[in-house]
Amino acid sequence: GAGVSQSPSNKVTEKGKDVELRCDPISGHTALYWYRQSLGQGLEFLIYFQGNSAPDKSGLPSDRFSAERTGGSVSTLTIQRTQQEDSAVYLCASSLGGGLKTQYFGPGTRLLVL
Amino acid sequence: AQSVTQPDIHITVSEGASLELRCNYSYGATPYLFWYVQSPGQGLQLLLKYFSGDTLVQGIKGFEAEFKRSQSSFNLRKPSVHWSDAAEYFCAVGPSMDSSYKLIFGSGTRLLVRP
Repeated sequence: GAGVSQSPSNKVTEKGKDVELRCDPISGHTALYWYRQSLGQGLEFLIYFQGNSAPDKSGLPSDRFSAERTGGSVSTLTIQRTQQEDSAVYLCASSLGGGLKTQYFGPGTRLLVL
Repeated sequence: AQSVTQPDIHITVSEGASLELRCNYSYGATPYLFWYVQSPGQGLQLLLKYFSGDTLVQGIKGFEAEFKRSQSSFNLRKPSVHWSDAAEYFCAVGPSMDSSYKLIFGSGTRLLVRP
């Protein structure tokens, strides 16, 4: 079946602009995660959605970052007033339930802020 | 704070040779441990995981890992590497039952395979 998909695959923007990154999880997966992978670094947890529960936003690095999940499916990560340090690969994952359920990752969106 | 260390940034092995990728974690209790592989242009794929029980766990693609509490390690091994194993490998920890989903990743080890 279809895996996690993300769009766009690449995004180049200018400093100060807003960007939106999209994630389509695997159908039926109730949990959705966003991670950031900076150059030469491991993945950094950003935010977690599980069903109708309040999201865990504890990993968002600043208030310029926000995410929403509509209808329990598609999610959008928004970065406002982008900075050069926001340049990274943003990875989305989904799982069938939360906790220790296996997370299935999408291919990521590579963001470059000039 | 919990952390995961992968001491080797790059490893090069010859095809057919054995492989061991190192992972050390810093955590008070027994953590939940994972190994993921990231091939170019692909998302991360789970190779194996350890929650409890037998400390030697088998995964996909012929990989195995051993949890050693005394060494705070969870090293990944494969007896004979194939060229298709060239990729980046990430060790991760799920820090606690309450927030086990907040995986903490190491910085990765890039595996190069010589023909």
